[in-house]
Amino acid sequence: GDSVTQMEGPVTLSEEAFLTINCTYTATGYPSLFWYVQYPGEGLQLLLKATKADDKGSNKGFEATYRKETTSFHLEKGSVQVSDSAVYFCALSGGGFKTIFGAGTRLFVKA
Amino acid sequence: NAGVTQTPKFQVLKTGQSMTLQCAQDMNHNSMYWYRQDPGMGLRLIYYSASEGTTDKGEVPNGYNVSRLNKREFSLRLESAAPSQTSVYFCASTGMGVSTDTQYFGPGTRLTVL
Repeated sequence: GDSVTQMEGPVTLSEEAFLTINCTYTATGYPSLFWYVQYPGEGLQLLLKATKADDKGSNKGFEATYRKETTSFHLEKGSVQVSDSAVYFCALSGGGFKTIFGAGTRLFVKA
Repeated sequence: NAGVTQTPKFQVLKTGQSMTLQCAQDMNHNSMYWYRQDPGMGLRLIYYSASEGTTDKGEVPNGYNVSRLNKREFSLRLESAAPSQTSVYFCASTGMGVSTDTQYFGPGTRLTVL
């Protein structure tokens, strides 16, 4: 079945460092891919999405490109801030009623 | 526009007690979902309702029941709580059009079963 694998955390960075969180997926067909973010004590919220190969999703300085050839959707940000500290979830949706989530990667950003 | 709301925010139960978690959305979404979140395991789907009047099992339905009361409300019931059900529970909904598969989440219910 469909699955999502993302890098284990926690990831600890200093402010203004470059961030990469790796995500790979297994799916039949052409799923939509997502990154969700969960701030402490809150529910998940959509960060960005991409619906077809080579699409780049972007929001709040974060970017991810849908790479079908490598089945990847890595999250990147050029300069992280303390306020980016959160848990990040990679996810896919095959167009039905179910979304498959990765296990989540916790990011700590130090001032 | 409150989005997805959940009650209660926190709950402590004793083993064997029952309770219902409430969820409501005001976005006119057709589909609603219940997930549980456990450390290191991401989100696991318990039940979902594709539309008003229908419900289906997800990945981990045992020990739970659901009711899609109307288009807005989707409740989750624990009939006889067990310590293994200690978790954070999230309700979510999906809408229509180009954002059909984007999930909108509530703030969660943190449940402890002693």
